[in-house]
This record gives sequence, structure tokens and C-alpha cells, in this order.
Amino acid sequence: AQSVTQLDSQVPVFEEAPVELRCNYSSSVSVYLFWYVQYPNQGLQLLLKYLSGSTLVKGINGFEAEFNKSQTSFHLRKPSVHISDTAEYFCAVLMDSNYQLIWGAGTKLIIKP
Amino acid sequence: DAGITQSPRHKVTETGTPVTLRCHQTENHRYMYWYRQDPGHGLRLIHYSYGVKDTDKGEVSDGYSVSRSKTEDFLLTLESATSSQTSVYFCAISESIQRGDEQYFGPGTRLTVT
Repeated sequence: AQSVTQLDSQVPVFEEAPVELRCNYSSSVSVYLFWYVQYPNQGLQLLLKYLSGSTLVKGINGFEAEFNKSQTSFHLRKPSVHISDTAEYFCAVLMDSNYQLIWGAGTKLIIKP
Repeated sequence: DAGITQSPRHKVTETGTPVTLRCHQTENHRYMYWYRQDPGHGLRLIHYSYGVKDTDKGEVSDGYSVSRSKTEDFLLTLESATSSQTSVYFCAISESIQRGDEQYFGPGTRLTVT
């Protein structure tokens, strides 16, 4: 079965420091890749997505992610985090075999003042 | 924000009782989805719909049924609620699947089965 692994359940980081949230997936077929964010007590919203083309994708709120096909990874980065980035971040992969989104378990980003 | 509402937003019910959750959209999107969110599991797809009266099972469909009689409404029914169905339920919509379209999420329904 296809799977998406977010290696860290929580990532604590100081405000204004850089952060990387890791995402790996198991697939050798064509995929679309997504990062969603969930702020406390809210639904999810799209941060960014990779469909094709440039492997570096820029999203909202200063986040970016890089698709690495050989390592089957799609890590999310931000050069300088703010307290407002406190949220849970979910990586998701859409396989073109069945067109169902497979979700990672999520990573909670904890910003320390 | 995409026009998606879920009702009720919170519900406490007893084991063995039927429960229906409603998702309503004003975007006229073709696809609608029901997910459950549990700590450590991310989101898991329960059922989805690709048109009126057209539905299919997701990863965790046992114990759940759905109906879609109108484009704008997608109902999730727990025929006989169990404690393992205590969760937060999210509805989502999208225009398509194959193009990699974004899914837009509702605010969620917190269901507690006692």
C-alpha cells in the first residue's frame, strides 16, 4: 500500500529560526504532492502543491518545498518562522493510479519565543 | 474562503445510536469527501462522491454510509455509533481529482461517542 511518512511528530524551533518539515512517500508512479496547514481548531488549507515543472515550489506565508524524485521526498522549509506559524502541517500525495489522497500523520510546529 | 459548512459542529451521542453529519457547499464542486482525523493518523478518507448519487468507499468505510441527493449536500451516517468512531470529521470539496486540484475543507465536526 502507498504511504506517506512525516518523520517528526513535533518540531520545536525558536522564533525567526529556519525550519524544515520532512515528508517521504512510497511510490514509483507519477504523483502530485501537497502540503496543507491546520491552525488550532480549524480545518485544513493548502500551503503549496507540486504538479509538474520546477521542483522548487513556493507557497503562501513564505513557505517553500522541494520535490526530489530520486529520494521520494517533498520537504517543507521556511527561512524564518513566526509565532503565527504555530500549526500542524500535513503532507499529502495523490497517486495517479487511484486518485486518492494519501495523508501523512502530521507534524506539529511549535514556535518558542 | 470556500463556502463549506458542516453541521452539527459538536455532538455527543451514546453507543448504538444512529448519527448523521451534514456537509453543505455553495461552490458547485463535483467532488465531496468525508475524512476522519485522529491523533497520529492524519486524515483518513471514509467515503467520497464524484456526483449526485455517485459515491465510493475510502480507506476506513466500515460502519459508515453516505448519500448525496443534491450537488450541494453530502451526508455521512453512522448507523450504530461505537466508541471507536469518536473523532473529528472533516468534509472537503474539489472541482476534480485528476488535475491535482486543491481540496477545500470545512470547519469540522467533533463527535464523541460515550
